[in-house]
Amino acid sequence: KNEVEQSPQNLTAQEGEFITINCSYSVGISALHWLQQHPGGGIVSLFMLSSGKKKHGRLIATINIQEKHSSLHITASHPRDSAVYICAVTGNQFYFGTGTSLTVIP
Amino acid sequence: NAGVTQTPKFQVLKTGQSMTLQCAQDMNHEYMSWYRQDPGMGLRLIHYSVGAGITDQGEVPNGYNVSRSTTEDFPLRLLSAAPSQTSVYFCATEGLGRGGYTFGSGTRLTVV
Repeated sequence: KNEVEQSPQNLTAQEGEFITINCSYSVGISALHWLQQHPGGGIVSLFMLSSGKKKHGRLIATINIQEKHSSLHITASHPRDSAVYICAVTGNQFYFGTGTSLTVIP
Repeated sequence: NAGVTQTPKFQVLKTGQSMTLQCAQDMNHEYMSWYRQDPGMGLRLIHYSVGAGITDQGEVPNGYNVSRSTTEDFPLRLLSAAPSQTSVYFCATEGLGRGGYTFGSGTRLTVV
């Protein structure tokens, strides 16, 4: 049983497309995190949110606490957005999704 | 400002050998943690600490020890390495509600 489920697992998009990655969780949380892992392996924190919506450049993250669901949107996608995007939640423990592998084709 | 410094980047061990993965941070974050990342399984929590002198087990603690004698350092020890511990290890810190995770660059460990 996975406490955090992401979809899709893999995603290929054309440059310029609008991308949505979804995350559902089954535990009570105090915060939800979106992380980005590039092919080189490094992991960067994109967002931490506990309600509503946050925006940073072309990235937007939303969370619906009642539905236990979050989405990460990328507008005007670019090949440099190609990475694995990981959803993680902070509750009694720290749970991670298995990631969504995004490839943006020029 | 170095953030989180994780060493070494690569390591090959023989079964039964011991080693310590180092993690140091200069952000005065209370929370530090170790994860392993295996193909298809995502990040799994090994051990974590919410402050100096306090450690606790995560999801997969067996075969690993930790200590937190200072705020800055959180070493992960493998006492007797096994091939099942072949993985990529990440150290991460968080300022307990003040911001997101900061990850080290990872250690790729192979146990033969």
